[in-house]
Amino acid sequence: NAGVTQTPKFQVLKTGQSMTLQCAQDMNHNSMYWYRQDPGMGLRLIYYSASEGTTDKGEVPNGYNVSRLNKREFSLRLESAAPSQTSVYFCASGRATYEQYFGPGTRLTVT
Amino acid sequence: AQSVTQPDIHITVSEGASLELRCNYSYGATPYLFWYVQSPGQGLQLLLKYFSGDTLVQGIKGFEAEFKRSQSSFNLRKPSVHWSDAAEYFCAVVSADKLIFGTGTRLQVFP
Repeated sequence: NAGVTQTPKFQVLKTGQSMTLQCAQDMNHNSMYWYRQDPGMGLRLIYYSASEGTTDKGEVPNGYNVSRLNKREFSLRLESAAPSQTSVYFCASGRATYEQYFGPGTRLTVT
Repeated sequence: AQSVTQPDIHITVSEGASLELRCNYSYGATPYLFWYVQSPGQGLQLLLKYFSGDTLVQGIKGFEAEFKRSQSSFNLRKPSVHWSDAAEYFCAVVSADKLIFGTGTRLQVFP
């Protein structure tokens, strides 16, 4: 039981490049989330998916898109990366908002 | 909407000393409150949660937290800190069916 896995662990992009962050969970959870963590700001919700086939914006969705590929997988895409998107990205899954399990994170640097 | 405030950005304690990390929540109905811990380079792990009932909540790793409605607080405590407790600690609250995090408190432990 791997829990929540994220790939890649580290990534460096140039401004304007695109990339997709992958997240998968093996706990049969309906809900999945993407957060970003910046120094002094805690974690902020980017997008979430309450169930397979649905996605909704969180607090900071601009510049991102998501896909809930199936019940297990929830990807986050940066179409045109900007330095302001330098951050640590966490995926989480859970049966409900009040029960979330977090992945190990992806550290992204945009130069 | 509910929010949480962690007034201490950084706390330093000696190993074996007691610990209290502060968390204040904004006004509202009885909140769903959480404490998470993030070890360096890791994802977030749930320490404990409060939904209702007994206001003193026991968590993992010897941590406890007390919900005090009169003070709008949910402070995290540990009677004797170990060097392995050095990490960042986040308080969180459910608001509008989303998990809202505080800005975190970094704990440093001296031998």
